[in-house]
Amino acid sequence: AQKITQTQPGMFVQEKEAVTLDCTYDTSDPSYGLFWYKQPSSGEMIFLIYQGSYDQQNATEGRYSLNFQKARKSANLVISASQLGDSAMYFCAMRVHGSSNTGKLIFGQGTTLQVKP
Amino acid sequence: KAGVTQTPRYLIKTRGQQVTLSCSPISGHRSVSWYQQTPGQGLQFLFEYFSETQRNKGNFPGRFSGRQFSNSRSEMNVSTLELGDSALYLCASSPGTIFYTGANVLTFGAGSRLTVL
Repeated sequence: AQKITQTQPGMFVQEKEAVTLDCTYDTSDPSYGLFWYKQPSSGEMIFLIYQGSYDQQNATEGRYSLNFQKARKSANLVISASQLGDSAMYFCAMRVHGSSNTGKLIFGQGTTLQVKP
Repeated sequence: KAGVTQTPRYLIKTRGQQVTLSCSPISGHRSVSWYQQTPGQGLQFLFEYFSETQRNKGNFPGRFSGRQFSNSRSEMNVSTLELGDSALYLCASSPGTIFYTGANVLTFGAGSRLTVL
């Protein structure tokens, strides 16, 4: 079964410090994509970063990087230099490739991150 | 460019009524997906439409339906509302190419928050 697991319901981090949000996934399909989204209290899901299963290097987008360990089936999000505006819910999601599945993502339960000043 | 627009943002209905939610995708995006978000079940995929055809469907009862118009705008309908249908309904658009290439990132709208009394 395809599944995303986020084991940290809530986390705190001090402003300007780095934080790692954990995500493990389960799929038997060799071709898949992994996403991280941020959801502030307003409700809108904001795309942060993407990692394809065949990508050789870990993805990075500004202060966000994805620590992709394929053998361990983990795709942890690292946020460097945390800012107060990073306080939000963070979701890890997976898409299993296939022409019929482009709009379907499987989401984890999310991790609430609070940044302390 | 304009993002994904969902209307209405908030609505209150009573049990047994029906509701229609609207989603206008990013210009040029042909795929629209719908998700239900609740505190208990998290984010769950409802269905995806591509070029006016339902391409993928989640595990929801037939009371949940949708459609897509020729301009890619989409609507979802929930009939005979139940208390458990209270949720944030999120719409996401993507280029949705038939043959998968690249990340095909989903861009989400701000959601429609439905309360069923």
